[in-house]
Amino acid sequence: DAKTTQPPSMDCAEGRAANLPCNHSTISGNEYVYWYRQIHSQGPQYIIHGLKNNETNEMASLIITEDRKSSTLILPHATLRDTAVYYCIVRSGGSNYKLTFGKGTLLTVNP
Amino acid sequence: GAVVSQHPSWVICKSGTSVKIECRSLDFQATTMFWYRQFPKQSLMLMATSNEGSKATYEQGVEKDKFLINHASLTLSTLTVTSAHPEDSSFYICSARDRTYEQYFGPGTRLTVT
Repeated sequence: DAKTTQPPSMDCAEGRAANLPCNHSTISGNEYVYWYRQIHSQGPQYIIHGLKNNETNEMASLIITEDRKSSTLILPHATLRDTAVYYCIVRSGGSNYKLTFGKGTLLTVNP
Repeated sequence: GAVVSQHPSWVICKSGTSVKIECRSLDFQATTMFWYRQFPKQSLMLMATSNEGSKATYEQGVEKDKFLINHASLTLSTLTVTSAHPEDSSFYICSARDRTYEQYFGPGTRLTVT
């Protein structure tokens, strides 16, 4: 699976949008971009995933560049409870994949 | 949504004893389950993959005789840390994959070995 690069940390003001970037320049055509987050001392929580098109759900939006070499996770109105480590993971479709976690981005939402 | 539970949520044991951690998929059948370990301020590291009814596959550097994994049913996997030592103290997280190949994580188990 392709490797991802994320900034180690970011800050965001409460109520503002949080934009978390991820670089995956070696992604291949059948690989998806997944985002998980981990709040302190909890298991990872699925946020969103996409292949080519931008995606939106009740938690976040995922913007994938046309060349698919990078993506941005957008939390439209960050709250203090969104403070967590956010992981961007690239994985292949189907059953033959392992989720490999990098260091992620620690997002701190400030009041 | 798919829910994965772990029991216990935290455990303290004495050095040299064994401890068992259970992972259950509550509302789906999991043909594959995964065990991760996370040390403080580090990312999750995959320890092993288990398929129902077959032996687990361990990642490089993980001692299979120390970390015994049993995946006896489609909803239950157990991790037994045998002869635990203080360096085994960690956060253990299980994950289960459903039939659509999506993967869901448990809340984790904090193990402290004294």
